[in-house]
Amino acid sequence: QLQLQESGPGLVKPSETLSLTCTVSGGSISSSSYYWGWIRQPPGKGLEWIGSIYYSGSTYYNPSLKSRVTISVDTSKNQFSLKLSSVTAADTAVYYCARQINWDLNFDYWGQGTLVTVSS
Amino acid sequence: QSVLTQPPSVSGAPGQRVTISCTGSSSNIGAGYDVHWYQQLPGTAPKLLIYGNSNRPSGVPDRFSGSKSGTSASLAITGLQAEDEADYYCQSYDSSLSGFNVFGTGTKVTVL
Repeated sequence: QLQLQESGPGLVKPSETLSLTCTVSGGSISSSSYYWGWIRQPPGKGLEWIGSIYYSGSTYYNPSLKSRVTISVDTSKNQFSLKLSSVTAADTAVYYCARQINWDLNFDYWGQGTLVTVSS
Repeated sequence: QSVLTQPPSVSGAPGQRVTISCTGSSSNIGAGYDVHWYQQLPGTAPKLLIYGNSNRPSGVPDRFSGSKSGTSASLAITGLQAEDEADYYCQSYDSSLSGFNVFGTGTKVTVL
């Protein structure tokens, strides 16, 4: 059974960079055809797609966040990571990592999510 | 701001049928991109409920069904149960700008 687990600091200061890692177990991140994505959910609000990456390193991002987002993959560790720069309070959210069937299709496996609060 | 619009809430008594709409446009649902649905129970991660407009993953009860027509899609829950009380989100792909995945605004289902 595929499992995804987010990890990283739960508190980030304004203007700094948010960094999270998603560790995949029960399957290889290098499996062909799957993408790996990040989705966030501010408290009490809806879901927002941040971006996705293929194991080869190909990325695509939400245009509204593109200037601040970097997603990378480490196949040797079966992990992929998110960096979001210049954060503000508006970036406070639960961040989920998930497996995506293809770049324009559904997310079938999700991590449990991790709350990141932006505050000084 | 999402380009997929859902009603904020729907409600029904146990055993009833409820439907949730997901309204898009010619750059997403109307362009032929698939619609997927997720159920989010309180305090948990979203769970895939329907993929490819009308397909159920293994383990999802057949009380849940999806459909798509034109620039909209719908999720129907028949035989509503107390455990169905949750938030529901549609998801598709939008080809505007440089293209992006998009989630609907979300719908809270309340079982009366």
